[in-house]
Formats: sequence, structure tokens, C-alpha cells
Amino acid sequence: KQEVTQIPAALSVPEGENLVLNCSFTDSAIYNLQWFRQDPGKGLTSLLLIQSSQREQTSGRLNASLDKSSGRSTLYIAASQPGDSATYLCAVRGSTNAGKSTFGDGTTLTVKP
Amino acid sequence: NAGVMQNPRHLVRRRGQEARLRCSPMKGHSHVYWYRQLPEEGLKFMVYLQKENIIDESGMPKERFSAEFPKEGPSILRIQQVVRGDSAAYFCASSPSAAERAYTDTQYFGPGTRLTVL
Repeated sequence: KQEVTQIPAALSVPEGENLVLNCSFTDSAIYNLQWFRQDPGKGLTSLLLIQSSQREQTSGRLNASLDKSSGRSTLYIAASQPGDSATYLCAVRGSTNAGKSTFGDGTTLTVKP
Repeated sequence: NAGVMQNPRHLVRRRGQEARLRCSPMKGHSHVYWYRQLPEEGLKFMVYLQKENIIDESGMPKERFSAEFPKEGPSILRIQQVVRGDSAAYFCASSPSAAERAYTDTQYFGPGTRLTVL
């Protein structure tokens, strides 16, 4: 059974800092890994999707890496801004379970001005 | 191309009533997934459907919950005799039709339905 863990559960940083969010998963048989952002009481915004054959994806100040063999992904946020404050969710899409996604519980990020 | 649509966005029910949540996938998508998010938690898989078929319902509670995706119309998640523990956000996601693409492509999520049981 796939399990996804996100560390830390919460993170508070001053504006301008670079930061790393971690995601680990137990079953390396995956199609892809996706990072989402969720604002309080809102839906999910897809940030980056990494296919199992890829090592990283970049979008603006965001960079996500994937090490499938070790079951790890990191989301790197450069020059953080108060508008980055949200919960970040990691989701793994399995290749052995009909393509359903397994989510971590998220990292809640607060960027202080 | 409209995104995944869910309605209602907010639903309030009293204990014992029925809740019906609707999901219209993106145009051209015939794979639908339902997830539930309890407060302060991540999303948990409930059920995976294709048109007129339930493919995987391993995450569905055994009682009171059912889902369907008819040939015409939206997918429906139905909760009978709701209890306070059913209060959560319910998200629907869709993927493209072709099986290979369905699993390698991104899942597109709807805005969710927030169910509150009084």
C-alpha cells in the first residue's frame, strides 16, 4: 500500500528565504508525482507534474525534483513571498492501483513579510 | 475548455439526510476520481469510475456511500443518512479517455464541495 509523507508539517520563514519542502513515498511503482497548492477553504492548484522518467521540473521560482528509486521528491521555492503562504500537497499516482493518487497530509507554509 | 465542475460548492445537511454531490469532468475526459479531505488532512482516495463502470471503490466506506458515472450527465457521489463525521471537502478529478494517457497525464481537480453536517 502506497504511503506518502510530507515533512515538515508546518514551516514559517521570513520573506525572501529559499526553502525546501520534502515528500517521501513507499512504493516506487509510480506514473508521476504532482505538487499542488491549496489555499484555506479552496481547491487544488497544480504546480508541477513530474513523470516517473523525469528527474525535475521547473516553473518560475519553483523547482521540483524526483528520485524514484529512493522514494523522494523535493519542492524548492526560491525567494519566498507572503503570497506563497498556503498548504503544499504532494500526490503520487501509482502504476499498480488504477492510476489513483495518494496524497500526503501537506506542509503548511507561512511566509512573513 | 471548461475545467472540472462540481456543484454545489457548499452543502449543509442535517444528520440523517441525504447528500448528492455532482462532478462534471473536463470535456473529453471519461475517467473520474473522487477524493475526500477531512479537516487538517490530505486528500484520501474514495472511488474511480469510468462511464457506466466502477473501476476501483476500495476507498469508499462500506455503508451509506455510493457513486455512479452514467453514460450521460455528471458523476454523482451519494451519501445516505449523513453523520457529523461525513463533514469534509469532497474533490473530484478527471483524466483523459485513453488508458495510457489517463495514468500519465495530470489529474485535473474540481473546486470541491464542502459538506457540513449539522
